[in-house]
Amino acid sequence: QQPVQSPQAVILREGEDAVINCSSSKALYSVHWYRQKHGEAPVFLMILLKGGEQKGHEKISASFNEKKQQSSLYLTASQLSYSGTYFCGGDPGDQGGKLIFGQGTELSVKP
Amino acid sequence: DTAVSQTPKYLVTQMGNDKSIKCEQNLGHDTMYWYKQDSKKFLKIMFSYNNKELIINETVPNRFSPKSPDKAHLNLHINSLELGDSAVYFCASSLSGSTGELFFGEGSRLTVL
Repeated sequence: QQPVQSPQAVILREGEDAVINCSSSKALYSVHWYRQKHGEAPVFLMILLKGGEQKGHEKISASFNEKKQQSSLYLTASQLSYSGTYFCGGDPGDQGGKLIFGQGTELSVKP
Repeated sequence: DTAVSQTPKYLVTQMGNDKSIKCEQNLGHDTMYWYKQDSKKFLKIMFSYNNKELIINETVPNRFSPKSPDKAHLNLHINSLELGDSAVYFCASSLSGSTGELFFGEGSRLTVL
């Protein structure tokens, strides 16, 4: 069962903040976040491990609540370069590193 | 130097044909994957190899056959192509025992007419 992301799409003005949520019905060992720009390959942003701390990457950070099986990606003071589709990937931990991706959240940052 | 490279980047072919996509990584990783991304951007794992051994084999038609001649290469052969096979196929690699970060190739866009 794939994780469910919300919202499906969001439009921001430069400088605004956004939160993307990822919810799994299965227990996860870790959650990965990737960003895919149009016509390009997904690029790794960060990984959050069970029992780990909130991570940060420039002005993008994330958290993982393993009890609720939820992760959130926080984008602060968004830049035009943040536009793209964001995917969370859940790793159950017992399937050889298999990542099951959510359906993606399309983020557009406008000037 | 491209870390994960796929060829070809584009394939346009007729239904019923057979096609192959090749993938090579120069990162020294020991695990390679094939993902399929459909028109709705849904990214689904198909196969995974660790040191040439198949470790993940999702519910994929047996018309799809992966092959890993060595840990730096993973190929995908598709027989009797169908319209529904049209998608972007991404190869990826990772290093087991690390954070598991996936490095994706640029993708191979397959269009079946």
